[in-house]
Amino acid sequence: GAVVSQHPSRVICKSGTSVKIECRSLDFQATTMFWYRQFPKQSLMLMATSNEGSKATYEQGVEKDKFLINHASLTLSTLTVTSAHPEDSSFYICSASVGRGGAMETQYFGPGTRLLVL
Amino acid sequence: GQNIDQPTEMTATEGAIVQINCTYQTSGFNGLFWYQQHAGEAPTFLSYNVLDGLEEKGRFSSFLSRSKGYSYLLLKELQMKDSASYLCAVGNQGGKLIFGQGTELSVKP
Repeated sequence: GAVVSQHPSRVICKSGTSVKIECRSLDFQATTMFWYRQFPKQSLMLMATSNEGSKATYEQGVEKDKFLINHASLTLSTLTVTSAHPEDSSFYICSASVGRGGAMETQYFGPGTRLLVL
Repeated sequence: GQNIDQPTEMTATEGAIVQINCTYQTSGFNGLFWYQQHAGEAPTFLSYNVLDGLEEKGRFSSFLSRSKGYSYLLLKELQMKDSASYLCAVGNQGGKLIFGQGTELSVKP
């Protein structure tokens, strides 16, 4: 149980275009999903917290107009990187938990999406 | 501020035991997680400690001392497939995870 999928697994795009990444919880309902970014040889950095039916909460330094997050259902959250630039090239990973903040639930991670912006 | 420290790299021999340490200073504490991450893949959950003491799960054990802000992950009977990055993460308010930089473990024959 507790399987999280991401699509696509890898994407290459031109500078200035937008890219949408999907995160799905396959066998459970995820009230909260998290989006992380990981640069090579570095750890995961939390970008935003997404609760179903409400606006995402962004971490300090993360531009909400550039990284659009939609959590439309209990099993799907999407991250759209708008007007992507080469510096946005990174490994984007989502995770899902069944908690509603407060209580500490285990986060289950998706397989990640490798984004390369040319 | 928030700070989570763990060694950058470690090397061990197949069949041996290795201990990966993690110290933390965070503004909130809601448990400590260990994840394993192979290169190019997402992290997989290994353990969760919220109370002091040792939690054993097969070849992996995790220890927590909240008063010392300290945890370790113990891997026994090392196998080549254990070569990976091991991430220490502290649970914070709102269910968030704050990750350390990860320890790259290399298991040699």
